[in-house]
Amino acid sequence: QSVLTQPPSVSAAPGQKVTISCSGSSSNIGNYYVSWYQHLPGTTPKLLIHDNDERFSGIPDRFSGSKSSTSATLAITGLQTGDEADYYCVTWDRSLNAGVFGTGTKVTVL
Amino acid sequence: EVQLVESGGGLVQPGGSLRLSCAASEFTFSNYWMTWVRQAPGKGLEWVANINQGGNNKRYAVSVRGRFAISRDNAKNSLTLQMNSLRAEDTALYYCVRVAFEDEGMDVWGQGTTVIVSS
Repeated sequence: QSVLTQPPSVSAAPGQKVTISCSGSSSNIGNYYVSWYQHLPGTTPKLLIHDNDERFSGIPDRFSGSKSSTSATLAITGLQTGDEADYYCVTWDRSLNAGVFGTGTKVTVL
Repeated sequence: EVQLVESGGGLVQPGGSLRLSCAASEFTFSNYWMTWVRQAPGKGLEWVANINQGGNNKRYAVSVRGRFAISRDNAKNSLTLQMNSLRAEDTALYYCVRVAFEDEGMDVWGQGTTVIVSS
């Protein structure tokens, strides 16, 4: 019951593009920066994007982030089998006065 | 290498207490906000609490407010999460995380320590 809603899963063939949405409100995404994380099973989460659209050090430009109003989007182009993971958006929520994670999206490479 | 190492996890009965620690190394610990994040079995990531550089500004998830307390010792480069009145739903892998960017942009994660609340 997170305040940030993501699709449970997305999938595409290798080389294709997927987009993951993160829907919030003016209490969170509308007024704060969004970051995105990749979490492969058995590993620690990894920062991909911070400040809405800034790629973290070492992250390939296949990963990109954007934000519009109360929603944010992570795009992955040139999909690879190694991209199969769970992806989460994160931001601050001023009503909760707490950080919030999105519900998470599982990316499957067909 | 920048590193965060958690410890203190274990098995505890409902209603009990546990104290998690996180040792930071190879960076200026006092310059960063720090956060605890957890993941319950089969569930997504959940933000738990954070603390500012000086330790005088602390925020908590609604689910742990009044039961958990975050603190830090900058002289010892350590972060702590005191967990009281533990419930079965607190069972999770707990990560210590460094906040490097605005609004919980978290760049360094520890390996995590497991907390199991069960009778």
